[in-house]
Amino acid sequence: AQSVTQPDIHITVSEGASLELRCNYSYGATPYLFWYVQSPGQGLQLLLKYFSGDTLVQGIKGFEAEFKRSQSSFNLRKPSVHWSDAAEYFCAVGGNAGGTSYGKLTFGQGTILTVHP
Amino acid sequence: ETGVTQTPRHLVMGMTNKKSLKCEQHLGHNAMYWYKQSAKKPLELMFVYNFKEQTENNSVPSRFSPECPNSSHLFLHLHTLQPEDSALYLCASSPGLSNQPQHFGDGTRLSIL
Repeated sequence: AQSVTQPDIHITVSEGASLELRCNYSYGATPYLFWYVQSPGQGLQLLLKYFSGDTLVQGIKGFEAEFKRSQSSFNLRKPSVHWSDAAEYFCAVGGNAGGTSYGKLTFGQGTILTVHP
Repeated sequence: ETGVTQTPRHLVMGMTNKKSLKCEQHLGHNAMYWYKQSAKKPLELMFVYNFKEQTENNSVPSRFSPECPNSSHLFLHLHTLQPEDSALYLCASSPGLSNQPQHFGDGTRLSIL
């Protein structure tokens, strides 16, 4: 079964500082990977996705993520955080076609980001 | 106009009440999902529908009854709920039952008295 671990429950950074949110996954084949963001009182918004190809993917709002197969990781990064980035971030994995988990996302527990002025 | 609209946004109900949550998507998608989001727990997939047919029931108690009359609408009928059912219920849709990204609504915050 696929699984996702986000080791950091809560991260605090200063505005303008760089950010890296960690995500580790467990899946037998090449996974489909996603990062979503959730602001208070709202649903989840897709930041970026990885299906195949270039392991460094660019997303919206200046975010990027790097797929590292050897480390089973898909960490989210941003070079300079803005106060509006304060939210909860979720990593998710989807299974390959033909598998029982195809079309179903498994989410991590989420990382809450606080941004100090 | 948001792609996925959920109503109501907030719902307070007693354990003996019957209520329904509604989800509507304007994206032309064919797959729709219900998730439960509880505090300090990962999102839990509850139900999946593809072209109006249920393809997944993730061992959800029968007090939750989904309905999908067409590819644009999804309901979650609630009856005899328990306090532990208090949570944010999120609806999502995707083009099909694939790994294309899912689009989420803003959720219904449900509180059981």
